[in-house]
Amino acid sequence: GDSVTQMEGPVTLSEEAFLTINCTYTATGYPSLFWYVQYPGEGLQLLLKATKADDKGSNKGFEATYRKETTSFHLEKGSVQVSDSAVYFCALRTGDMRFGAGTRLTVKP
Amino acid sequence: ETGVTQTPRHLVMGMTNKKSLKCEQHLGHNAMYWYKQSAKKPLELMFVYNFKEQTENNSVPSRFSPECPNSSHLFLHLHTLQPEDSALYLCASSQWSGGLYYEQYFGPGTRLTVT
Repeated sequence: GDSVTQMEGPVTLSEEAFLTINCTYTATGYPSLFWYVQYPGEGLQLLLKATKADDKGSNKGFEATYRKETTSFHLEKGSVQVSDSAVYFCALRTGDMRFGAGTRLTVKP
Repeated sequence: ETGVTQTPRHLVMGMTNKKSLKCEQHLGHNAMYWYKQSAKKPLELMFVYNFKEQTENNSVPSRFSPECPNSSHLFLHLHTLQPEDSALYLCASSQWSGGLYYEQYFGPGTRLTVT
């Protein structure tokens, strides 16, 4: 069935470092792809999305490009802040939504 | 109120208690979901409701009983729970159209502890 696989965490970075969280997907159709973020004590929030190949989703300095040839949707940010510490979930939608296992990011001052 | 709200935010209950979790969405969506999030485990989809009709039940034990009286409200009734049911219970809503569930919007969750 359709699924997403994202890099295992935890990921620990210093402030202003470059962030990449890898996400690859398996789908029989043409999925839409999403990144969600979960801050401590809160529910998941939609961070960005892309609905077709080569689309780039962006929000709050985060970006991800829908790469059909590599079936990937890696999350990137050029300079992380302490406030970006959270768990990040990759997800896809064909019919219903499928979530990855989540990657915990900790950013240290 | 905006978005998806859940009450209570925290709940401690004994194994013989009966309690209910409430979720309300103010987004005009027509699909609602219950998820269970346990430490070090992937997000588990429990139930899906589409236009008030349950369309998915992922082998959830009968001690969890959902109720969806209308497209804006969703409840999860709990009885005779086990300690392993302690988790964060998340409610979400989305639009459903043409066979597709669109992106989901989540509430803040109810942190449940079973003693």
